[in-house]
Amino acid sequence: QKEVEQDPGPLSVPEGAIVSLNCTYSNSAFQYFMWYRQYSRKGPELLMYTYSSGNKEDGRFTAQVDKSSKYISLFIRDSQPSDSATYLCAMKRTGANNLFFGTGTRLTVIP
Amino acid sequence: DTAVSQTPKYLVTQMGNDKSIKCEQNLGHDTMYWYKQDSKKFLKIMFSYNNKELIINETVPNRFSPKSPDKAHLNLHINSLELGDSAVYFCASSQERIAGGGTDTQYFGPGTRLTVL
Repeated sequence: QKEVEQDPGPLSVPEGAIVSLNCTYSNSAFQYFMWYRQYSRKGPELLMYTYSSGNKEDGRFTAQVDKSSKYISLFIRDSQPSDSATYLCAMKRTGANNLFFGTGTRLTVIP
Repeated sequence: DTAVSQTPKYLVTQMGNDKSIKCEQNLGHDTMYWYKQDSKKFLKIMFSYNNKELIINETVPNRFSPKSPDKAHLNLHINSLELGDSAVYFCASSQERIAGGGTDTQYFGPGTRLTVL
């Protein structure tokens, strides 16, 4: 069993839709939770970062962490065609450099 | 200016060959990493280097060896290439010398697509 599980999709939504992306994990030692966005043929870029449980909002993006359920989410409001990419969740323990990634969810926003 | 750069972008080679991928970061970061992304987009860490010291090695075959001539460079050498080595290899770097508090954001390069025939 992978330490981080993520539905690979693909996920197609119309422009303007609300998108929900999710990951579950098994290691309760994870404290730092990240969402990376990866466009085709590019490297991942950090989108959102959350420490421990709670919500964080940045523009159209909201990241949620529920440590009791070992479940994290990324919500995208008013989705745009430019949001079409693969979204990877990642997490790590305190005191460690090693990031554990989900397999990524491929999102397509249709104009 | 590209923060993390890799060369080459594409690498096609025969089984059994030895090849290298170069990585450079101009961010002044203390730690650099190599990741492998397979055909299913699963991204897994291979190595990280901090101040010329290997601090993570995730059960990677010893055919793979990172070489860091200085803090800004971390090259990946691969000996006796196998078909299963075909993947996209990403270099990354982060500020933190010792991971812990703070974002310790990892900045990724554009990737090197390796195809072993």
